Amino acid sequence: DTAVSQTPKYLVTQMGNDKSIKCEQNLGHDTMYWYKQDSKKFLKIMFSYNNKELIINETVPNRFSPKSPDKAHLNLHINSLELGDSAVYFCASTERLTGKETQYFGPGTRLLVL
Amino acid sequence: AQTVTQSQPEMSVQEAETVTLSCTYDTSESDYYLFWYKQPPSRQMILVIRQEAYKQQNATENRFSVNFQKAAKSFSLKISDSQLGDAAMYFCAYYRGFGNEKLTFGTGTRLTIIP
Repeated sequence: DTAVSQTPKYLVTQMGNDKSIKCEQNLGHDTMYWYKQDSKKFLKIMFSYNNKELIINETVPNRFSPKSPDKAHLNLHINSLELGDSAVYFCASTERLTGKETQYFGPGTRLLVL
Repeated sequence: AQTVTQSQPEMSVQEAETVTLSCTYDTSESDYYLFWYKQPPSRQMILVIRQEAYKQQNATENRFSVNFQKAAKSFSLKISDSQLGDAAMYFCAYYRGFGNEKLTFGTGTRLTIIP
């Protein structure tokens, strides 16, 4: 019954490695997002996809590459991980342009880069 | 650019009492949405309440209500009969929609409930 799910929930890795985080939603929404929450709890948009098309890219380093194989999935691949990438990454989804636009969040993935 | 300001980094309230969390925002738009999200220690982002800017009536959800002052660009959250489970970070968020899809968050208010 999970609406927005993310895997893994925790990710500990070494600097320089490449890692991926997966997100799936079963709400039938057409728009998905990646947000980053830093150590001070500040949440900021990274990317948004609508029906597999990138619609928001908020000046994120190109080491971060989102991929949306279909409208229910949005994955985040990170190359050459750096210490500053340590954060909690949230996936979210909504149904766009409906007047009922509420974003529902996944449980978050805590990434720790050593 | 839209900004959201939460001027209270921390608040505390006695159990069963009422507390109000402040939020102001800056926008030149007339149609938009405002949200309060709760983030307990589990870190899950939970929607508390939502307000459409075109609605004059303040939104309510059980013990949670808002005071939406559109002209003043103010959107405060009132929690009545505070419970221990209300302890969390609370984030105010602005959403323009209509092709500008991102949520813009405030910096959050940490709410502590005193038994």
